[in-house]
Amino acid sequence: AQSVAQPEDQVNVAEGNPLTVKCTYSVSGNPYLFWYVQYPNRGLQFLLKYITGDNLVKGSYGFEAEFNKSQTSFHLKKPSALVSDSALYFCAVRGSSYKLIFGSGTRLLVRP
Amino acid sequence: DSGVTQTPKHLITATGQRVTLRCSPRSGDLSVYWYQQSLDQGLQFLIHYYNGEERAKGNILERFSAQQFPDLHSELNLSSLELGDSALYFCASSPHGRGGRGTGELFFGEGSRLTVL
Repeated sequence: AQSVAQPEDQVNVAEGNPLTVKCTYSVSGNPYLFWYVQYPNRGLQFLLKYITGDNLVKGSYGFEAEFNKSQTSFHLKKPSALVSDSALYFCAVRGSSYKLIFGSGTRLLVRP
Repeated sequence: DSGVTQTPKHLITATGQRVTLRCSPRSGDLSVYWYQQSLDQGLQFLIHYYNGEERAKGNILERFSAQQFPDLHSELNLSSLELGDSALYFCASSPHGRGGRGTGELFFGEGSRLTVL
């Protein structure tokens, strides 16, 4: 069965520093991986996806993610964090019926 | 704005009651997915409809049911409500289903926050 794991409940970084939010996956076959962001009292917004091709995927708001097949990871990264990046981030893998299976979420807190 | 509309945004009701949550997908999207987000369970997939037909079921309780109508809007019915049903219920749409059109991402509405007292 497809699954993703987000090992950190919360990540704290200072504004201007690089940030990484971790995700590992377990799939049979080729993975289709996604990152979403959720701001307070809002729905989930799509950030980026990996389907095939380059291992470094660029997405919205300056975020990127690195697909690593040998480590079965798909970490979300940003070179310079903003206070406005503070939110809940979800990693997801595509399952059967094209549904998305989400990780438990990681709360990102960017300090001014 | 994702283009997915959910109503109501907030709903407060009592245990034992029944509620209906409504979702209008993005124009042209044939698939509707329902998810439940609670503090201790994260985002749980409930059910998927494609063009009016049920395609997949997840962790959906027997007290819950859903349908997708010919105009493609969907409703999630929650009955005999319990305190533990308090959660955010999200609808998402995509052009997928059978055939694999689209590029994989789902588009989420703002959610319906259900509080059961």
